[in-house]
Amino acid sequence: GAVVSQHPSRVICKSGTSVKIECRSLDFQATTMFWYRQFPKKSLMLMATSNEGSKATYEQGVEKDKFLINHASLTLSTLTVTSAHPEDSSFYICSANMGGANVLTFGAGSRLTVL
Amino acid sequence: AQSVTQLDSQVPVFEEAPVELRCNYSSSVSVYLFWYVQYPNQGLQLLLKYLSGSTLVKGINGFEAEFNKSQTSFHLRKPSVHISDTADYFCAVKRDRGSTLGRLYFGRGTQLTVWP
Repeated sequence: GAVVSQHPSRVICKSGTSVKIECRSLDFQATTMFWYRQFPKKSLMLMATSNEGSKATYEQGVEKDKFLINHASLTLSTLTVTSAHPEDSSFYICSANMGGANVLTFGAGSRLTVL
Repeated sequence: AQSVTQLDSQVPVFEEAPVELRCNYSSSVSVYLFWYVQYPNQGLQLLLKYLSGSTLVKGINGFEAEFNKSQTSFHLRKPSVHISDTADYFCAVKRDRGSTLGRLYFGRGTQLTVWP
């Protein structure tokens, strides 16, 4: 089945630094990937839609300069949290749909802790 | 706009007991419905989906759900749970057309805890 891989699974960084999270589709090409953020005991919030070869589409209220998304190939999208602060600590999950099917495959998530 | 309500934030049950996790949605248009399971520190895994056709949907791990259009509900059920079913369960809704696939609207989740 379709597999989406995220790396790193956990990252701890100092306040003010930038952190990059990778999302790869391992056995299919994904022209579109999606980035979600999940707060503790909360639901998933769609942050942005990552489009291969073009700019990402951000949801209302999400700072595009804060959360940089790059989708340089059909199998890789990256999310960079710039100048991270403790309030950016969260669980970030990416997803993609294979072949236009109406089902998303999710990565295992990346837990970011900003000290 | 869509919204998804999961009425129970926590559901404790004993092993081998039946369980029902409730989900209601609001939408003015036809929707696709999904249930996902999330184990600790992991991503989401699809349990089952309703796109069209039979309103009773069977998924993995013995779960099933029934789409009830008149009650705008999509409750998840399992006749006999195992300890390994302990996880967070999320109901999600998507408009059947006119929006990107990623624009799933998730409920806040139900934490299912199965006790021995």
